[in-house]
Amino acid sequence: SQQGEEDPQALSIQEGENATMNCSYKTSINNLQWYRQNSGRGLVHLILIRSNEREKHSGRLRVTLDTSKKSSSLLITASRAADTASYFCAMRPTNFGNEKLTFGTGTRLTIIP
Amino acid sequence: EPEVTQTPSHQVTQMGQEVILRCVPISNHLYFYWYRQILGQKVEFLVSFYNNEISEKSEIFDDQFSVERPDGSNFTLKIRSTKLEDSAMYFCASEGTGGAGTQYFGPGTRLLVL
Repeated sequence: SQQGEEDPQALSIQEGENATMNCSYKTSINNLQWYRQNSGRGLVHLILIRSNEREKHSGRLRVTLDTSKKSSSLLITASRAADTASYFCAMRPTNFGNEKLTFGTGTRLTIIP
Repeated sequence: EPEVTQTPSHQVTQMGQEVILRCVPISNHLYFYWYRQILGQKVEFLVSFYNNEISEKSEIFDDQFSVERPDGSNFTLKIRSTKLEDSAMYFCASEGTGGAGTQYFGPGTRLLVL
């Protein structure tokens, strides 16, 4: 698989339910970041988790990181219609001087009111 | 809250024309980036810029592309002779500390090459 694959590609749930999105990657990372993108709009940073962290919370968001499995998950609890968007993971490599983010393929989340 | 801004929001140009996309990064940030997203595809890295020079560039960033920080606030991406396949959303990002920080993205410029 390519660096930064997410599953599912698309997810539809009822408002109030929890949404879980997964991200897998291939190379070692310094950190992994999650972004949200509303249709045709900019990228909004949600949360950053470092390679030495296993779990991080921010409001209704919970991110986990398993470096042994090279995977991360984003959980949105008590979903709202406004959470409808595409969600991307982005990997930051470990080697110094390589600052670019490598983005995943994204999960399109639809919250049904 | 400080944010990255980009102008224009939309640009339509003819193939072969030059375009300049403009970005104002967050004021105390030191690292600057351009990414692009072709419709329906992944966000792809183009170039990173630090200390007034390119620190890394992708294979997409060929001789038709250039970046500049002409003054203390603006960061520009120039495409010298646009091609149809340059049609995409172009995002600028900035970061305060290199290598481990959060990259903050602007709202993007949607470029359409006809």
